[in-house]
Amino acid sequence: DQQVKQNSPSLSVQEGRISILNCDYTNSMFDYFLWYKKYPAEGPTFLISISSIKDKNEDGRFTVFLNKSAKHLSLHIVPSQPGDSAVYFCAASAGKGGATNKLIFGTGTLLAVQP
Amino acid sequence: DAGVIQSPRHEVTEMGQEVTLRCKPISGHNSLFWYRQTMMRGLELLIYFNNNVPIDDSGMPEDRFSAKMPNASFSTLKIQPSEPRDSAVYFCASSLLSLAGPRGAQDTQYFGPGTRLTVL
Repeated sequence: DQQVKQNSPSLSVQEGRISILNCDYTNSMFDYFLWYKKYPAEGPTFLISISSIKDKNEDGRFTVFLNKSAKHLSLHIVPSQPGDSAVYFCAASAGKGGATNKLIFGTGTLLAVQP
Repeated sequence: DAGVIQSPRHEVTEMGQEVTLRCKPISGHNSLFWYRQTMMRGLELLIYFNNNVPIDDSGMPEDRFSAKMPNASFSTLKIQPSEPRDSAVYFCASSLLSLAGPRGAQDTQYFGPGTRLTVL
């Protein structure tokens, strides 16, 4: 049973345009969400995160939106650059009070930014 | 600063052989995670340790898989005997769990480069 779902296995976007990557979750206990980026032959690297007490977090070209009622989050990249081409993983945590920091990952979305 | 170190980077072995994957977490981190990446299931958590103690091994697929963390700077994941369906990329990650620290720092995990395992 996949608690974190990324239903689009791939996405292709033109350079300079907006990339929107989506993620849905089923466990209402999740209260912290992260996005990781992964290049081939490398490990995933942390990109941006959001707590459930917020609905938006921005870091430069990257913005994550959280809709708790829909159990949905999205990552916006504006403007998209060819170097953004990678696999993006959504992850969620239910670590109440720091009792655990176990992450549940989605299956990933391969983003291709065309020059 | 050195990140998470994994060895070997690539491992090719024959079915039935024992395979040992190694991980050195970031110095000072007290949580260590083993993941397996496959196309179908993405990043699956196999097991994780807090302060060298296994906390959750519910993701370990079978008794053929075992993991140890004898000290804060070293962990192994062993597969014995290995099977072709074990072929995947195995990642190790570490983080700092501190009840007094900010939530974000607790949840952010730092990954190693992975070990690509091929079982023939």
